[in-house]
Amino acid sequence: ETGVTQTPRHLVMGMTNKKSLKCEQHLGHNAMYWYKQSAKKPLELMFVYNFKEQTENNSVPSRFSPECPNSSHLFLHLHTLQPEDSALYLCASSQVVRGGQYFGPGTRLTVT
Amino acid sequence: AQTVTQSQPEMSVQEAETVTLSCTYDTSESDYYLFWYKQPPSRQMILVIRQEAYKQQNATENRFSVNFQKAAKSFSLKISDSQLGDAAMYFCAYRSAQNSNTGNQFYFGTGTSLTVIP
Repeated sequence: ETGVTQTPRHLVMGMTNKKSLKCEQHLGHNAMYWYKQSAKKPLELMFVYNFKEQTENNSVPSRFSPECPNSSHLFLHLHTLQPEDSALYLCASSQVVRGGQYFGPGTRLTVT
Repeated sequence: AQTVTQSQPEMSVQEAETVTLSCTYDTSESDYYLFWYKQPPSRQMILVIRQEAYKQQNATENRFSVNFQKAAKSFSLKISDSQLGDAAMYFCAYRSAQNSNTGNQFYFGTGTSLTVIP
């Protein structure tokens, strides 16, 4: 596969569930990102990883827990989410300090 | 922090016509990148075009071109010969070119929804 892939594409979970989102990039990039995209709201940066090290956490609640085992893989672990966490979660990758970001197709998350 | 402003929440264009989407940004840096992204409904966000601030020449990609005015901090996107497939949300984004953690921050505008009328 090429580009940035995300699984699952759709996820419905209850407020007490634990689930994980997965992102993989096949572009040789060394920075990866999680964004939240809600209807009628600007894109919200959640986490940034450079060379597997987290460099940004934009005041994200602890019910979202990122993991970056290597430069190609990024996870977002979810637990005890709230209905307002329902959104499209986008993963992206880039080179550190240069070039554009390349986005995955997103995971449409619904919390019931 | 840098800010990116897209003052047109919605735009429409007749098929085959030309449309220009506006973007302004605020920064004290001299070296940076600017981007336009396209996100069709329920589809993936795609990088459309990029501009390095040190380059005076405006970037072009087929029917897409930019008007980069560095002094005015303006970065508009022109779509020529608009097609139905151009209908999407368009986001303008800024990235620092400095070699620090700030270089990994992308700042996005709120987007412009483009409708193409047949």
